[in-house]
Amino acid sequence: GESVGLHLPTLSVQEGDNSIINCAYSNSASDYFIWYKQESGKGPQFIIDIRSNMDKRQGQRVTVLLNKTVKHLSLQIAATQPGDSAVYFCAENLPNTGNQFYFGTGTSLTVIP
Amino acid sequence: GAGVSQSPRYKVAKRGQDVALRCDPISGHVSLFWYQQALGQGPEFLTYFQNEAQLDKSGLPSDRFFAERPEGSVSTLKIQRTQQEDSAVYLCASSFPTREGQTTRTDTQYFGPGTRLTVL
Repeated sequence: GESVGLHLPTLSVQEGDNSIINCAYSNSASDYFIWYKQESGKGPQFIIDIRSNMDKRQGQRVTVLLNKTVKHLSLQIAATQPGDSAVYFCAENLPNTGNQFYFGTGTSLTVIP
Repeated sequence: GAGVSQSPRYKVAKRGQDVALRCDPISGHVSLFWYQQALGQGPEFLTYFQNEAQLDKSGLPSDRFFAERPEGSVSTLKIQRTQQEDSAVYLCASSFPTREGQTTRTDTQYFGPGTRLTVL
């Protein structure tokens, strides 16, 4: 039978440029968010998190921005490197739901040397 | 130190067969999670253990899915009578509680490489 494939959003950037990866989350009640990086053949790896009482949080070469009004998260990667090539997921967590996270579809980032 | 390991890395099963997927968490990690990741999608939560207690199994898609962690370390995810829609990567993650005796959502989950299950 015919198979239907899901196509990840993709982003290609030149090495050294800044990257911005966007995520629309689903539940306005979510109050904690994580960005993960997943390289081919590996499990997701924690990058940075943010609580809903913050609009911005910075890490090493990464910044997460949260806009609760439009339920939007973004991950900014400064001076993108070839090793940053991966699929990036945002994950949301609702209060009082324990450790259950809901992951987005993901964005595939390709860094061109 | 070693990270989370999973075995086998690849499993091919005929429809109707039972499979067992193993997860070895990081030593000392109290919490263990199983996720299912379909091709091109994000991981979906299946179940969660704290030590040997299965505290949340709300994500298991059917009663064909069963997980156990009898001694609070290694965990096995068993899928009975596999169906084609079970084809996915099954990810395991573990975490160590930063608050004594209690895992919180801010405790970093460390993921294994996953087991890719293909059901023919």
